[in-house]
Amino acid sequence: DAGVIQSPRHEVTEMGQEVTLRCKPISGHDYLFWYRQTMMRGLELLIYFNNNVPIDDSGMPEDRFSAKMPNASFSTLKIQPSEPRDSAVYFCASSDGGGRGRETQYFGPGTRLLVL
Amino acid sequence: RKEVEQDPGPFNVPEGATVAFNCTYSNSASQSFFWYRQDCRKEPKLLMSVYSSGNEDGRFTAQLNRASQYISLLIRDSKLSDSATYLCVVSSGYSTLTFGKGTMLLVSP
Repeated sequence: DAGVIQSPRHEVTEMGQEVTLRCKPISGHDYLFWYRQTMMRGLELLIYFNNNVPIDDSGMPEDRFSAKMPNASFSTLKIQPSEPRDSAVYFCASSDGGGRGRETQYFGPGTRLLVL
Repeated sequence: RKEVEQDPGPFNVPEGATVAFNCTYSNSASQSFFWYRQDCRKEPKLLMSVYSSGNEDGRFTAQLNRASQYISLLIRDSKLSDSATYLCVVSSGYSTLTFGKGTMLLVSP
């Protein structure tokens, strides 16, 4: 299995630009998670989907952030407009669920975002 | 109070040493517990689950104390390849995980 795939791996953009991060989960996994990691705040859950439906987006910092999952094999996280404080590593993870909280989450390699 | 707290370290130990990390969690309703490992500039990966009875995987031993709400990880006979950040992770029983900020371990020759 190829694992969770994320693109781009690195993104440098200017403040005010739109940024789109992409994720392909492991085939057959029905849960998909978006995380943000910074030195100050650690790894934070932004939003997660179950069977392509957003379940909890309470971690999304503000309206500038949006996420979609149009099908079981693709998800996007969009930031519009981007700000320097959005600079972080964004991880996508997937799991095969069950809702019992014991399943392993498999992380993608992450997207390193720098907003100038 | 943070949901999951860890000593950020770094813990500097020589090869062959035994090192232990602790973690405390605030939600008494937490049901599942894990240690994840994250190498520098890499993604987190599951190291091991933590069970109430304690569990061992080779050189790694994890313990859970529900009464005191803390989790521990013991690494025996440290290897250079053990150098990484160790993330304490807690689940409420649903699919979401809450991560600590991690404890950095540096093993030197």
